Amino acid sequence: QSVLTQPPSVSGAPGQRVTISCTGSSSNIGAGYDVHWYQHLPGTAPKLLISFNTNRPSGVPDRFSGSRSGTSASLAITGLQAEDEADYYCQSYDSSLSGSVFGGGTKLTVL
Amino acid sequence: EVQVVESGGGLIQPGRSLRLSCTGSGFKFGDYAMSWVRQAPGKGLERVGFIRSKAYGGTTDYAASVKGRFTISRDDSNSVAYLELNSLKTDDTAVYFCTRAIRSGTNWFYFDHWGQGTMVTVSS
Repeated sequence: QSVLTQPPSVSGAPGQRVTISCTGSSSNIGAGYDVHWYQHLPGTAPKLLISFNTNRPSGVPDRFSGSRSGTSASLAITGLQAEDEADYYCQSYDSSLSGSVFGGGTKLTVL
Repeated sequence: EVQVVESGGGLIQPGRSLRLSCTGSGFKFGDYAMSWVRQAPGKGLERVGFIRSKAYGGTTDYAASVKGRFTISRDDSNSVAYLELNSLKTDDTAVYFCTRAIRSGTNWFYFDHWGQGTMVTVSS
């Protein structure tokens, strides 16, 4: 059980908007530690999607956006496409564990 | 183009040792920290540990689950990072990913380029 809680699954139809939450506590996100997001299609190399809460690396479509507030962070995907179907992970630092941690992951299904 | 390629996985008996390699290309390898992340079958991502660049002392840090059993090292002259896995347990069965690591805070990194992973199966 990760200290960063993500919903196990979310789904949406093509063209819709979905959000994936990453809920932490005062020892991680709430303490001001940054959040990074990754996309992982099983069998492939995971891909950095969002760095430092809101920054999109070069090549990541602007359909993907990140935010952080209080003890939580969110990843929003607009204009859902079939190719977005993947697992998504948040990452932050936890001072109680003295190390970075990943959320449990969220499987996105495009209906 | 930045690339990270892992090798060395396979089937290994409990209690034995294995060494994984990670070769980087397309960037100045010695300027970057490198990290290992694993994913057990049906599970999520779990950090294994990292090694800082020589400019930051080349020091290492490990997750509690592998500390004392796993060792990360680097050979900058050949652009290779290693993960030595000792006293292997069945719970260590996972795909092991190598990543280039970018500083996010004093003691942690995020991962901007990943390899495709190498499978380690610990079983008798």
